[in-house]
Formats: sequence, structure tokens, C-alpha cells
Amino acid sequence: KNEVEQSPQNLTAQEGEFITINCSYSVGISALHWLQQHPGGGIVSLFMLSSGKKKHGRLIATINIQEKHSSLHITASHPRDSAVYICAAFYSGGGADGLTFGKGTHLIIQP
Amino acid sequence: DTEVTQTPKHLVMGMTNKKSLKCEQHMGHRAMYWYKQKAKKPPELMFVYSYEKLSINESVPSRFSPECPNSSLLNLHLHALQPEDSALYLCASSRGGRGFNSPLHFGNGTRLTVT
Repeated sequence: KNEVEQSPQNLTAQEGEFITINCSYSVGISALHWLQQHPGGGIVSLFMLSSGKKKHGRLIATINIQEKHSSLHITASHPRDSAVYICAAFYSGGGADGLTFGKGTHLIIQP
Repeated sequence: DTEVTQTPKHLVMGMTNKKSLKCEQHMGHRAMYWYKQKAKKPPELMFVYSYEKLSINESVPSRFSPECPNSSLLNLHLHALQPEDSALYLCASSRGGRGFNSPLHFGNGTRLTVT
């Protein structure tokens, strides 16, 4: 069964802290997406990666295919980073859109 | 700003009403999606159009009816909804067809309340 597990479910941190959100998946995938959803509802695609590491500004995403694990890091966190972060794994043949979503990590950065 | 535009942003409708949600993208994407998202849950796929052909998710009730008039537009027609259908409805698009793994571009969603 295709599964995606995220941890932690909830995370509260102080401004400036280094944040790590983890994602594990159960079987081989072809790519993994990290998404950000703000309270208003809109979802932004942060990264799509299939190996190694990607960086965009203060955000870094890594994936270890052998360990079936991905992490999203936020450096120098800021209150505007407060959002829900969702990991979604792309499984070939995994349903009409191929995506299995994690339950999300609710991040709050306090000033 | 999102490149996928959804209207309206908010919608309140009674159980006997007929309404439509609209979605538009001009990125040349060939796959468009409707997702339903309840509070504190991940998005659930409802429908996918790939090269203007529909892939049906059989768990979606017939009171939801999608339409793809052309490659840039996607509608979701609503009729005789139930209060439990109240949710955030998200449209998304991606390059290539169904199952082609490319980044998803989401709209800001329509917050639907059924009374």
C-alpha cells in the first residue's frame, strides 16, 4: 500500500530557529513533492525532487531514495513561514494523479 | 500570486441550488485537477482531466459534475449538495498528461459552505 508519513504533526518554534520536517514513504517512488499551504487555503509547490538536494532561498529539501525518506529544512525561520507543509509522493500507477499525500505538518513560528 | 485562477473565492449555497466553480490557467498545462480538502486534512483527488479527457474517481458522488470546455478552463458543477460537502475546493494543473510527474500549480481555492 502506498503510504506517506510526516512528522511532526505540529511544530511550534521561535523566530530564527532551524526547522526540520520529515517525510517517509513506504515503497519506491519516482519523485516527491513538498507543498506549502497558508491559512487562506492556497497551496504553493515548493519543491519536486527525485534525488539529492534542492535549495530555494531559506528552504532546503533533501531526499534519500535508499532510506525512503525526505526532509524539508527552513533556515532562519520567520513568522511568515507559519503554514501547513505537505509532503506528497508520486507513485507511477498510483491513482489518477499518482500522488499520495501526507497529513501535513502545522508549523507556527513565534516572534 | 497564483497562475491558476479560481472563482468564486467563497460560495454559500443551499441544498437545492445549482452552482458552478471555475478554474482557469494559461500556462499550456495539459492536466487539470479538482481536489476537495476538509479542515486539517490533506487534499483528496476528485477528478483529473488529461488532454481534455476525464478520469473519473468513482468515489465522487454524481452531484459533482466536472466539465473541461478547453485546455485552459475547468468547471465543477454542483447540484443538490449536502452540508458535508462543505470544504475547500482546489483546482490544480500540471504540464503533461495524467500520471506525468511534474510540479502541481494550485489555485487559491473556493471555500464552499452548504446550508
